[in-house]
Amino acid sequence: GAVVSQHPSWVICKSGTSVKIECRSLDFQATTMFWYRQFPKQSLMLMATSNEGSKATYEQGVEKDKFLINHASLTLSTLTVTSAHPEDSSFYICSASGGVSYEQYFGPGTRLTVT
Amino acid sequence: KQEVTQIPAALSVPEGENLVLNCSFTDSAIYNLQWFRQDPGKGLTSLLLIQSSQREQTSGRLNASLDKSSGRSTLYIAASQPGDSATYLCAVSRTASKLTFGTGTRLQVTL
Repeated sequence: GAVVSQHPSWVICKSGTSVKIECRSLDFQATTMFWYRQFPKQSLMLMATSNEGSKATYEQGVEKDKFLINHASLTLSTLTVTSAHPEDSSFYICSASGGVSYEQYFGPGTRLTVT
Repeated sequence: KQEVTQIPAALSVPEGENLVLNCSFTDSAIYNLQWFRQDPGKGLTSLLLIQSSQREQTSGRLNASLDKSSGRSTLYIAASQPGDSATYLCAVSRTASKLTFGTGTRLQVTL
């Protein structure tokens, strides 16, 4: 089946620094990638949708200048959390879609802790 | 705005029992519905995907049904095993891409 990887799997950073998370589709071309955020014991909330070569579309309430998304190739999207604060600590999950059924395949997630 | 609710929020059953997880959604104009499994601290594993034109999908001990008109889906797990313990999420999409997730059901299967 389709495999999506994320790197790093976890990261701890200091408040005010920036963190980059990578999402890769390993065995298919992902025309669309999605970024979700999940707080403890809550469900996934879509942050943004990105199509290869285009600017990302952000959901309401998500700051595009804080969460920078780049989808420069059909196998890689990156999410950069700029000037991270403790309230940005969360589990970030990406998914990728590229098939006829538009099914999304999810990465294993990245645990971000901002101290 | 689409809202997806899952009942119960948590469930504990003894091994071997059959069980049903429920998912309801407010907007019946969906493209498809998916059931996922999430283990603690992990990503999502897709279990079943039902297109809006379908009524059910089966995979092994899992069976998912969809009643689009009433805004409901159920996930039936037969002969539950301790390895089935996880959080189960349902998600619906209105377009061919954007997913709206439910609140999840935390399942514990005991020995």
